[in-house]
Amino acid sequence: AQSVTQPDIHITVSEGASLELRCNYSYGATPYLFWYVQSPGQGLQLLLKYFSGDTLVQGIKGFEAEFKRSQSSFNLRKPSVHWSDAAEYFCAVGARGNEKLTFGTGTRLTIIP
Amino acid sequence: EAGVAQSPRYKIIEKRQSVAFWCNPISGHATLYWYQQILGQGPKLLIQFQNNGVVDDSQLPKDRFSAERLKGVDSTLKIQPAKLEDSAVYLCASSLRLGQSYEQYFGPGTRLTVT
Repeated sequence: AQSVTQPDIHITVSEGASLELRCNYSYGATPYLFWYVQSPGQGLQLLLKYFSGDTLVQGIKGFEAEFKRSQSSFNLRKPSVHWSDAAEYFCAVGARGNEKLTFGTGTRLTIIP
Repeated sequence: EAGVAQSPRYKIIEKRQSVAFWCNPISGHATLYWYQQILGQGPKLLIQFQNNGVVDDSQLPKDRFSAERLKGVDSTLKIQPAKLEDSAVYLCASSLRLGQSYEQYFGPGTRLTVT
């Protein structure tokens, strides 16, 4: 069965600093991987996705993620965070064929001035 | 393009009562999903439809939860009777078609509180 681990429940970063959110997955084959962001009271918005090919994926809002098969990881990065990036971030792994997503427990990001 | 619509946004009920949530997916999206998101956890898939047929309902507590998607468009999720542990946000999502985009678009959710 597929699973996702986000080891950091809460991260605090200063505005303008760099950011890395960790994600480790378990899946029997080459996974489909996703990062979603959820602002308070809103649904999830897709930041980026990895299906195949280039292991460095660019997304919206200046985010990127790198797929590392050897480490079963798909960490999310941003070189300089903005106050508007404060939100909950979810990593998800998708099953090929049925599009069933399994989400991690999320990382809450706080931005300090 | 209009997004996924859900109603109501908030609902408070007492345990053992029933409740229903409504979802209208993005126009033309064949696949529809219902997720349950308990506070502090990631969303968990409850049921997945392709048009008006069920693809996966393995995690739906069928003794109390039911869902339907009439005519392959709108969907309703019902809980009867509700328990305290059903307090959660219920998210609806839609995607173009299975195996085509793998991109799910989420609605704002319905926050259910069971007292």
